[in-house]
Amino acid sequence: SQTIHQWPATLVQPVGSPLSLECTVEGTSNPNLYWYRQAAGRGLQLLFYSIGIDQISSEVPQNLSASRPQDRQFILSSKKLLLSDSGFYLCAYSTYKRGTEAFFGQGTRLTVV
Amino acid sequence: QQQVKQSPQSLIVQKGGISIINCAYENTAFDYFPWYQQFPGKGPALLIAIRPDVSEKKEGRFTISFNKSAKQFSLHIMDSQPGDSATYFCAALSDRGSTLGRLYFGRGTQLTVWP
Repeated sequence: SQTIHQWPATLVQPVGSPLSLECTVEGTSNPNLYWYRQAAGRGLQLLFYSIGIDQISSEVPQNLSASRPQDRQFILSSKKLLLSDSGFYLCAYSTYKRGTEAFFGQGTRLTVV
Repeated sequence: QQQVKQSPQSLIVQKGGISIINCAYENTAFDYFPWYQQFPGKGPALLIAIRPDVSEKKEGRFTISFNKSAKQFSLHIMDSQPGDSATYFCAALSDRGSTLGRLYFGRGTQLTVWP
């Protein structure tokens, strides 16, 4: 069966510190991968999506970056966190075929202090 | 530009009533339309999904109605229960072009079902 793992579940980081959030998918190959951010009580803002290794699209200009070192691994990074980077970060995947829904990880609650 | 427009932003329904959430889109590259349910502190979970070649899909108390010509789709929750209280998101998946594989979400609807 297909599963998605995202960690850590919660994170408190000081302003200016680096960030690395990791997401891995099991049970499928060549998935589409997504990073979303959700502010409190708000909708889902797409940050990055990838349809393959070395194919990452950025949706929002910011101090975050994404990498896909392996087919089923997606990493969200920052060199220096800002207070405005606080939020709920969600990784998701969909299988690469027509008409397939996306499945979400449980999210990472990031608080920048 | 919001690719998928969702309304209402919030909805209050009495237990046993029908909850209706509407979404609209413009992009003809959208090929798949899932709905997600999200409880506080959790990731969104897939609820039900539909393809544009089907006008309606029902799973238990949840029904999607799809109007391809109007580019609109809606979620109906029959016999709404307090446990249905959550945020609901409609979404659309692009199947071609430069946005292949991109999943667009509506802004969400916060549903509260009163006991």
